[in-house]
Amino acid sequence: DAGVTQSPTHLIKTRGQHVTLRCSPISGHKSVSWYQQVLGQGPQFIFQYYEKEERGRGNFPDRFSARQFPNYSSELNVNALLLGDSALYLCASSSRTGGYANTGELFFGEGSRLTVL
Amino acid sequence: QQPVQSPQAVILREGEDAVINCSSSKALYSVHWYRQKHGEAPVFLMILLKGGEQKGHDKISASFNEKKQQSSLYLTASQLSYSGTYFCGTKALTQGGSEKLVFGKGTKLTVNP
Repeated sequence: DAGVTQSPTHLIKTRGQHVTLRCSPISGHKSVSWYQQVLGQGPQFIFQYYEKEERGRGNFPDRFSARQFPNYSSELNVNALLLGDSALYLCASSSRTGGYANTGELFFGEGSRLTVL
Repeated sequence: QQPVQSPQAVILREGEDAVINCSSSKALYSVHWYRQKHGEAPVFLMILLKGGEQKGHDKISASFNEKKQQSSLYLTASQLSYSGTYFCGTKALTQGGSEKLVFGKGTKLTVNP
């Protein structure tokens, strides 16, 4: 079975642009979470979606948004990019349900590495 | 509140043991351990759900002391494949009331031949 897949794997943007990152969860997983990992730090929670509804949001500005589609795939959008948005963006899926899905075993994708110049 | 991990980095020779600690200033209800190899996705190791619980995964085990608000990860007879950065995560609530994981900054483990 395929694991969590993310695209693109690498991308370079300039300040002020916007970016869309995509994630496909493991088949059968209905929960998708997004994390930002800055170099040398642990992953930081951005969003969790379950059954197409936002179930949790971390301390990120409104420039960050996400959505989940009927097939449970998800995309993360970041507008008005800043240099500080340069990071590895990780998607994780879980077989757990609802608002508790984020604290069971998480299956991470390999991430999308965003560089903002 | 981000959990604090120690040490920040450790270098071992194959076959040596290591301990990685994770502590929190807030009450801990569960502790989650992940390993991330360079350029790869974090991989789940184990969850400890209650005080006094101990778990093992191959030669990697962990304990959870609820009263001391800390957990320790034990790597016994380390192998080259154990190299990577180890993260502990603790449960917290989001603004919407759902649960999220808050990860520590990680402990970089290097195992040399």
